[in-house]
Amino acid sequence: TQLLEQSPQFLSIQEGENLTVYCNSSSVFSSLQWYRQEPGEGPVLLVTVVTGGEVKKLKRLTFQFGDARKDSSLHITAAQPGDTGLYLCAGSGYALNFGKGTSLLVTP
Amino acid sequence: GAGVSQSPSNKVTEKGKDVELRCDPISGHTALYWYRQRLGQGLEFLIYFQGNSAPDKSGLPSDRFSAERTGESVSTLTIQRTQQEDSAVYLCASSLATRTGYVYEQYFGPGTRLTVT
Repeated sequence: TQLLEQSPQFLSIQEGENLTVYCNSSSVFSSLQWYRQEPGEGPVLLVTVVTGGEVKKLKRLTFQFGDARKDSSLHITAAQPGDTGLYLCAGSGYALNFGKGTSLLVTP
Repeated sequence: GAGVSQSPSNKVTEKGKDVELRCDPISGHTALYWYRQRLGQGLEFLIYFQGNSAPDKSGLPSDRFSAERTGESVSTLTIQRTQQEDSAVYLCASSLATRTGYVYEQYFGPGTRLTVT
């Protein structure tokens, strides 16, 4: 099993602040996905990154895949309460290897 | 609806009883996955079905856990002689057929919350 470590585990910020969460592994992944999960629901895919060094933007969210394809980061600009949720990274395999997630709380 | 559905949404059972959890994947998705999510934790892979291939059961935590899938449709996860540590949310996901080194987007159901008392 390829382990993915996410940090921080918990993050509580105020609306309008910026934040970055990290996903790290000692293994190389051919692709990596970020999901967001809200309470009582299943995770929903935000983005898939495939190429080392790749940067993808989704509105206020910026995702980066490390050059060596072992790590990734998610940066949120001007966080909003609607961004609250559990952010999970998952590395490729026929079944996804999930990290434990970063629980984000954005308060008004 | 076109999404993944799971039933029941909640299940409370007594220790030692057997439970069956059901998953209806998206039509046309040949790959189906079961995951377990303990409170405040990430997702733990349990089992994977891909078309008519033998399922990958490497994530099942004990022989009390089993799963079946009928063709490319419904799947059932069975837990026998439930224990309190089995309490968790059980998530099912489906996707298009996978290929080596790439995982298509997985679409998750809302999960079944299992509580063993």
